[in-house]
Amino acid sequence: DAKTTQPNSMESNEEEPVHLPCNHSTISGTDYIHWYRQLPSQGPEYVIHGLTSNVNNRMASLAIAEDRKSSTLILHRATLRDAAVYYCILRIHYGGSQGNLIFGKGTKLSVKP
Amino acid sequence: KAGVTQTPRYLIKTRGQQVTLSCSPISGHRSVSWYQQTPGQGLQFLFEYFSETQRNKGNFPGRFSGRQFSNSRSEMNVSTLELGDSALYLCASSKQRGGDEQFFGPGTRLTVL
Repeated sequence: DAKTTQPNSMESNEEEPVHLPCNHSTISGTDYIHWYRQLPSQGPEYVIHGLTSNVNNRMASLAIAEDRKSSTLILHRATLRDAAVYYCILRIHYGGSQGNLIFGKGTKLSVKP
Repeated sequence: KAGVTQTPRYLIKTRGQQVTLSCSPISGHRSVSWYQQTPGQGLQFLFEYFSETQRNKGNFPGRFSGRQFSNSRSEMNVSTLELGDSALYLCASSKQRGGDEQFFGPGTRLTVL
């Protein structure tokens, strides 16, 4: 499975935008980029995913580089509730043996009031 | 709509014993995956079940096993418990194999003494 590289930790101020980077230089054509987050004492929670084009949903935006070797998760206005570990994951999107999620270490995001 | 439920939430066992954990997926979801989370190794994939069949397995010893019932509920079993099996065990469900989004339960915290 392809690997991702993320900073160990990041800090943000409340109500400011947050850009969480992820490098995936060995990404293949069939790998989708998924983001999950894990709040303290909870199971992981799906945030967003994409293949080539930038994606937006109610939680966040995903900006994917043209060569797909990196991506950035954007939280437009961080709240205290967004403090969590954010995981960037590459996942093949078909019902084959590689459909499971391979989690890395993730980025621990702290949000200051 | 009820989320993924896992029982029990907390469990204490001693070395050598065996344990069975239960997971009820979201109604209508047919795929169930299990993950182990420890401070040292992070989140690691255990196995995936779909239509009562194990479809994929992570790199864990044979002491770890599971099954899925016709109503999609799943159980995982760990035999001959070791101290290193102490972890948070997470269950995730999705509608189909390789579904876009996996929904995680709150986990079962297993402590082996």
